[in-house]
Amino acid sequence: DVKVTQSSRYLVKRTGEKVFLECVQDMDHENMFWYRQDPGLGLRLIYFSYDVKMKEKGDIPEGYSVSREKKERFSLILESASTNQTSMYLCASSLFALAGADTQYFGPGTRLTVL
Amino acid sequence: AQSVSQHNHHVILSEAASLELGCNYSYGGTVNLFWYVQYPGQHLQLLLKYFSGDPLVKGIKGFEAEFIKSKFSFNLRKPSVQWSDTAEYFCAVNEEGTGGFKTIFGAGTRLFVKA
Repeated sequence: DVKVTQSSRYLVKRTGEKVFLECVQDMDHENMFWYRQDPGLGLRLIYFSYDVKMKEKGDIPEGYSVSREKKERFSLILESASTNQTSMYLCASSLFALAGADTQYFGPGTRLTVL
Repeated sequence: AQSVSQHNHHVILSEAASLELGCNYSYGGTVNLFWYVQYPGQHLQLLLKYFSGDPLVKGIKGFEAEFIKSKFSFNLRKPSVQWSDTAEYFCAVNEEGTGGFKTIFGAGTRLFVKA
């Protein structure tokens, strides 16, 4: 079974803090993704990576950055957290970089609250 | 960019009722289509997907979806729902971009099945 783990299930931070969300997958997948999930808006893609050290902006990258130094790990960084970044953050991975029919495997999510 | 529309945000059914959740997408080219499900307290997981061949796709737990190209639709169906089908359902489509594919999700439909 593919396993995608996220460093925290719940996180509470203060406005202006730098926040790191970590994601690790154990199946040698090429693609990794960060989404945020908000009620009524579904999942919105923040960033994705199709290879080590490679990254692509998703639909809502503003206020976020990412890092992928190793194939199995993809980090999401909030440089200066704001209250409108309070959300559920989901990490996902998939096997092939160029295969459109790839299934994504999701982690359990991190519920971030910014006060 | 593509968009995915899910017609209903909330659906309430009694057990044994039939289910149809609507999904329309905007892209006119070759598409790969997915339904993902998130049961309460669980990870988002794949329910079924279409990438080629028979437009009627069967997934887990008795679900199926039909790809109708002329209508840009990929509706999810189940003839008789169970209480355990209570979950949030997301339709998604893959879009080809720089460096690979990314997935566009609909806003989700929350299904509540009354025992």
